[in-house]
Order: sequence, then C-alpha cells, then structure tokens
Amino acid sequence: NAGVTQTPKFQVLKTGQSMTLQCAQDMNHNSMYWYRQDPGMGLRLIYYSASEGTTDKGEVPNGYNVSRLNKREFSLRLESAAPSQTSVYFCASSVTGDKIYGYTFGSGTRLTVV
Amino acid sequence: KQEVTQIPAALSVPEGENLVLNCSFTDSAIYNLQWFRQDPGKGLTSLLLIQSSQREQTSGRLNASLDKSSGRSTLYIAASQPGDSATYLCAVANQAGTALIFGKGTTLSVSS
Repeated sequence: NAGVTQTPKFQVLKTGQSMTLQCAQDMNHNSMYWYRQDPGMGLRLIYYSASEGTTDKGEVPNGYNVSRLNKREFSLRLESAAPSQTSVYFCASSVTGDKIYGYTFGSGTRLTVV
Repeated sequence: KQEVTQIPAALSVPEGENLVLNCSFTDSAIYNLQWFRQDPGKGLTSLLLIQSSQREQTSGRLNASLDKSSGRSTLYIAASQPGDSATYLCAVANQAGTALIFGKGTTLSVSS
C-alpha cells in the first residue's frame, strides 16, 4: 500500500519555465490537496479537490493551476515559474467522514526556481 | 477565519523529561484535529487524530487532548528520547472533507 506518491522528489527550474507536479493516491480517497511549506510560514493550502471533477482555490493559488485527472490523481502545474515559488510542495488526501486515519501526506517535492 | 497557533516555537529538553506541546485554534467548531511529526527534510507523519466528539487519544508515549470549548489541544510526550527530536505540527479541519489548517509547529530537541 503506497499511500500518496509524489513525483518528482527534487526539481530545479529556471525562471519562466513550466512544470507539472504529479500526485497519486491508492487509498480510494475522494479529497485531495496541494500545500506549500516555506520557512516561517508553515504549510499553506494552494488548491484542493473535494471530489473527482471539482477543484477550489486555497490560501495561495496565484501562479498555479490544478487538474483532478481522476479519483487517484491530482496534478499541480506552474505555467511560468518564479523564484517566489521556490518551496517544498506536499500533496495530501483524505476521505470524507474518515474517523480513523485522517489525512495522509506524500513525501514532498523540493522545487528550486533560479 | 480559522487560525492555529502553536507555543512554544522551539523547545529543548534533556532526555527522560515529560513535556507538553500546546496548540490553540480560534474557531471551536472543528471537525477533527490531527498531530503530525516532521523530521528535517522529510514529509509529515501522522501521530494522532482526535475527532470533535473525543477528548483524547493515546498512542504509546504520546497522548493528545482536545478541549473544543477553549480552543485548545495539547500533545503530551512521556519520557522523551533523542529520537523524538523533530517538528510537531498541529492541524484542524473545520468540516469533513475540507483542508487542514496548520499551525507553524514546535521544533523539539531532546538531548542525551
């Protein structure tokens, strides 16, 4: 049981380049989330998807787009990377009404924009 | 808007001490509260999940309590060990299926 898998684990981009961060979960969870973590700022929500076919903005959505490809996969796209997007990105998933396991996080993608 | 605060931001203790990490939240109408551990450069590991109807959860040397009315949760670590050194994050969900709102964490250092 892999849980939440994120790819890639590390990435260096030049300013203006684009890339997509991939996330997949195998727990049949219906809700998925993208967070970024920055020193002194904690984890902040970028986008989330409460169910397949729906997406909503979180606290810091500017500069990002998301796609809920199917129930398993939720991708995050940077169309034109900026140095301010240097961060660690975490994907998470949960199932509505889950009273036991709560939220499960991936191991993160460390992105540097130069 | 829900806000989550963790105090202290950093804590250093000698091995063997019992310690308490604090978490407070501004809106008491939460669905659940979850404590995580994060090692440097790593992801988040779930430690304990407390539903809004519960008062506490225990796992090994860890005990988490929840007082919704006062907007507080505590994580109690008994007989601390150097391997407990990490950042501990508190997070709340306001409704089922909604995103977690995180505090900024308490960084714990346990010396041998």
